[in-house]
Amino acid sequence: GAVVSQHPSWVICKSGTSVKIECRSLDFQATTMFWYRQFPKQSLMLMATSNEGSKATYEQGVEKDKFLINHASLTLSTLTVTSAHPEDSSFYICSAQTPADRGRRRNEQFFGPGTRLTVL
Amino acid sequence: DAKTTQPNSMESNEEEPVHLPCNHSTISGTDYIHWYRQLPSQGPEYVIHGLTSNVNNRMASLAIAEDRKSSTLILHRATLRDAAVYYCILRGYTNGQNFVFGPGTRLSVLP
Repeated sequence: GAVVSQHPSWVICKSGTSVKIECRSLDFQATTMFWYRQFPKQSLMLMATSNEGSKATYEQGVEKDKFLINHASLTLSTLTVTSAHPEDSSFYICSAQTPADRGRRRNEQFFGPGTRLTVL
Repeated sequence: DAKTTQPNSMESNEEEPVHLPCNHSTISGTDYIHWYRQLPSQGPEYVIHGLTSNVNNRMASLAIAEDRKSSTLILHRATLRDAAVYYCILRGYTNGQNFVFGPGTRLSVLP
């Protein structure tokens, strides 16, 4: 199956600093990647849709200037949490969508292992 | 997005079959039924998906009602490693469409 990686797997930072999280699709090119956030004991909530070579589309209530998304290549999307605060502490998960020529798993999404962010 | 309804939690004994139900009465004709599971502190893992016919793979079976308004994920022999939150999600195959996660079913497997 397809593999999606995230780096780092966990990060602890001080309030006010910025943190970058990488999401890579390892064996296919993904024109579309998604970023989700999951608070403890809650389900995943979509934050934004990242399209290669264009601006990300953010869900309602997600600040685009605080959560910067860059999808500069077909295998890499990054999420930067700027000026992080304790309320940004969460589990951030990305997913990458397979291309249309992937047979039965076309337009499927494969999820990364997640990045746990703790802001002190 | 069409909504799914799942029980909040279920329990099973190890080595026994588990049937996880999902109701999706507002499913549209182009919606596929996906099941993902999430182990603690991990990203969601694909389990199975189908459209109309029942599906089997090495992880599980998916039984889809004839009217497609409900489906059941079947784990044939639960193991302790199957303890997870199971999500039933409807999604079309339009390019760029995301998954909408509900609360899922938390499955506990008792030794």
